[in-house]
Amino acid sequence: QVTLKESGPVLVKPTETLTLTCTVSGFALSNGRMGVSWIRQPPGKALEWLANIFSNDEKSYSTSLNSRLTISQDTSKSQVVLTMTNVDPVDTATYYCARNSVTYYYGMDVWGQGTTVTVSS
Amino acid sequence: QSVLTQPPSVSGAPGQRVTISCTGSSSNIGAGYSVHWYQQLPGTAPKLLIYDYRNRPSGVPVRFSGSKSGTSASLAITGLQAEDEADYYCQSYDSRLSGSFGGGTKLTVL
Repeated sequence: QVTLKESGPVLVKPTETLTLTCTVSGFALSNGRMGVSWIRQPPGKALEWLANIFSNDEKSYSTSLNSRLTISQDTSKSQVVLTMTNVDPVDTATYYCARNSVTYYYGMDVWGQGTTVTVSS
Repeated sequence: QSVLTQPPSVSGAPGQRVTISCTGSSSNIGAGYSVHWYQQLPGTAPKLLIYDYRNRPSGVPVRFSGSKSGTSASLAITGLQAEDEADYYCQSYDSRLSGSFGGGTKLTVL
C-alpha cells in the first residue's frame, strides 16, 4: 500500500524558516517513474503547487515562491523535505505532499493527509 | 491569479450533466502538456479523477470524463449524484515541469 505522510511544526513565527517532511512508504524514491510534489491550501482557498523532485534529483519550483523554497530528498530514509524561508502569515495553510507517477503522466495519484501550519507571532 | 482559469462555481440537479472548463495558454495546455483533474471532498485531501485529459484511474466511475480543445480542457460529469458535490481542480505543467492548478470550481448538487 502506497502512503505519504507529512510532518512538521504546527506553529511558526513570522520570518522563521519552515521545514516540512514527507515520509513515503510502498514505493521507492529512487524509482525512475516516480516523484514527489508539495502543494498547499490556505484556509478556504485554492490549491497551490509549490515544488517537485524526481529520482534523478531534478527539481522544479513555483515561479512565485522560487526564491524561498528548497526541496530535497533522502532516498535511504524515504523522505522528501521542503524548506520555506522567511514565512509570513499568508503562508498559513494545509501543506500536502503527493506522488507524481509517470504512469499517470506526472499526475498526482496518491496524496498525504496534509499537515496544517499556522504562521503567527 | 491562477495560470489556469476555471469558473468559480457550477451547479446541477441530480441526474443532470455538468461541465467544468479549464482555460490555459500556449505555455501549458497549448504546448501539449497534460491536464489532470482532481476532486476534493470537504475536509479531505484531493483525489486524482482524470489524468492526461481523458483517462480515468482505476475506481473512478465512467460518469466522469475529460476532453481537450486547443488551449482548454473540460471535465464532464453525467448522471450527477449528491456525492459529487465537491471542489474540482485542473492541473498542468510547463516546460520546466513547474506545476500549476486552476482556481478551483465548487460543484453544487441542487
